[in-house]
Amino acid sequence: KQEVTQIPAALSVPEGENLVLNCSFTDSAIYNLQWFRQDPGKGLTSLLLIQSSQREQTSGRLNASLDKSSGRSTLYIAASQPGDSATYLCAPPPNFGNEKLTFGTGTRLTIIP
Amino acid sequence: DGGITQSPKYLFRKEGQNVTLSCEQNLNHDAMYWYRQDPGQGLRLIYYSQIVNDFQKGDIAEGYSVSREKKESFPLTVTSAQKNPTAFYLCASRIGRGVQGYTFGSGTRLTVV
Repeated sequence: KQEVTQIPAALSVPEGENLVLNCSFTDSAIYNLQWFRQDPGKGLTSLLLIQSSQREQTSGRLNASLDKSSGRSTLYIAASQPGDSATYLCAPPPNFGNEKLTFGTGTRLTIIP
Repeated sequence: DGGITQSPKYLFRKEGQNVTLSCEQNLNHDAMYWYRQDPGQGLRLIYYSQIVNDFQKGDIAEGYSVSREKKESFPLTVTSAQKNPTAFYLCASRIGRGVQGYTFGSGTRLTVV
């Protein structure tokens, strides 16, 4: 059974700082890993999807890395802005035969202007 | 633009009533999912469907029912048997098993009055 842990649970940083969010998972037999953003009362927005054959994926100020062997992924946010304030969730989609997408409880990020 | 549409955004249910949450996608995705989100508990899988006319229970299916008569639509009915239905409900889809990621709707907030 896949278990996902995200650390820290909450993080507050001043605007402009670089930061790293961590995601660890127990079952490394995954196709890929997806990072999402959720604003209060809203749905999930996909940020990055890293394939199992990749080590990194970048989109603008976001960079996500994946280390399957150690069961870890990180989301790096450069030059943080107040608009980055949200909850960030990671999810390793299941392998063939298992359709349950397991989420951690996320990291609630607050960027202080 | 392709995406997932959930309606209504807010829904109020009286005790003993059944209510149906709508989820429609125009992404031509094969698989569709329903998740429930409670504060501090993350997302939990209710039901999922990989093809038309077929669906499977997730972790918390009791008190819920679904149908998948069309590829585009996956409605969720919250029955009177669900004792604590107040929550945020999210619908998701993906193209099928393999390397593609998930797309989420904007959610429906259900409140028992």
